[in-house]
Order: sequence, then C-alpha cells, then structure tokens
Amino acid sequence: QVQLQQSGAELMKPGASVKISCKATGYTFSSYWIEWVKQRPGHGLEWIGEILPGSGSTNYNEKFKGKATFTADTSSNTAYMQLSSLTSEDSAVYYCARSSGNYGYWGQGTTLTVSS
Amino acid sequence: DIQMTQSSSYLSVSLGGRVTITCKASDHINNWLAWYQQKPGNAPRLLISGATSLETGVPSRFSGSGSGKDYTLSITSLQTEDVATYYCQQYWSTPYTFGGGTKLEIK
Repeated sequence: QVQLQQSGAELMKPGASVKISCKATGYTFSSYWIEWVKQRPGHGLEWIGEILPGSGSTNYNEKFKGKATFTADTSSNTAYMQLSSLTSEDSAVYYCARSSGNYGYWGQGTTLTVSS
Repeated sequence: DIQMTQSSSYLSVSLGGRVTITCKASDHINNWLAWYQQKPGNAPRLLISGATSLETGVPSRFSGSGSGKDYTLSITSLQTEDVATYYCQQYWSTPYTFGGGTKLEIK
C-alpha cells in the first residue's frame, strides 16, 4: 500500500537550514508529484510547492521561493525539502503528500521548531 | 492566486443532525475541488475529489456538491467520529490553495 514516511521532529536555531525527508513506498515514486504543505496553528494549510521525482520538475508557491528547495532521489524513493534562513515564522508542521491532482496520501508530518 | 473562503470557521451541530459546510472560490475552478478532514495530531484525510467523488472508504453520509465558484460538503446524520476540522482545496491552478477550515463540534 502507498505510504509516505517523513523524518522526525527538528529543533533548529534561527538562521540555520533544515532538510526534511519523505520516503515513499508502495507505488512508482517517479510518476507522481510530491507536494509539500505547511500548517501553523491559526494559519490553516499552505501549499509550498511540488516536485515530480522522475524529471525533477518543480513548482513553487511564490511566497516560498528562496525559502524552500525540493529535491528527490529516485534510487531511494525519497523526496526532500530544504528550508533555509530559518525564523520563528517557519515553526510549523510540514507534510508531504502524493498528488493525483488531489492529495490522497499524506505523510505523518514533521514538526519544525525554530528557537534560540 | 485563487482565494478559498469557508464562510464558517466553527459549526456546532447535534448528533444525528445535518451538516453543511460551504466553500467559495474567488475564481472558477471547474470542479477541481477537494475536501479534507483533519483530526488533531493527524494529517488531513481526503474525503471528496472532483467536487463530488467520494473517496474509497469514506462513509456515504458524506457528499459534495457545487460548481463554478461555490461548493458544499454535506454530512447527513452527524456521528461523534465526524468531529474534526474540514478544509476545501482548489487544485485548478497554482498556487493550490486551501480554505481556512471549519471546525465541527457536537452540540
């Protein structure tokens, strides 16, 4: 069955970078877009962008350009999102999801806390 | 960007009652509309895609309707396990956007 397993919670200092992983199993990883979504209390769900692992094609929400960078490793069926120049505004739960247009499969979420 | 507006951020409905959650897009989205259910501590769960198609395993008391800019998620006969926050999402054009969520509770 389709599963997306994300890396564990992160505690980072302001100004640092972090890389969150999303390992996919149960389907052809290269063929489906992987989406990244941010969730902060009181801010709902925000689409950060997406990557198609087979080609490396990416689409970013303008709001997150320069903040987020997506990569994918088809040999390990793992997608990555790097967040740079972290601030307290980046503290959130980050989800990866497999897209077929809509998001039928989600990772469990990775909690990022940015604090000095 | 297409804005998605859920008119109610909070709903309180009696057990067994009917629930209607509305979502309005700032532009036509051609039924490229999904509904998600999220319970605390969990990832969102896809309930409905294409505005009206119920996902496998989702109880038939859930249904979606609408077209153009206006969409609705309905729940007939509210159950305790339906207590959650519900989000709409348009996937017609990037950036894909979500509604602000409707928190559903039992009255």
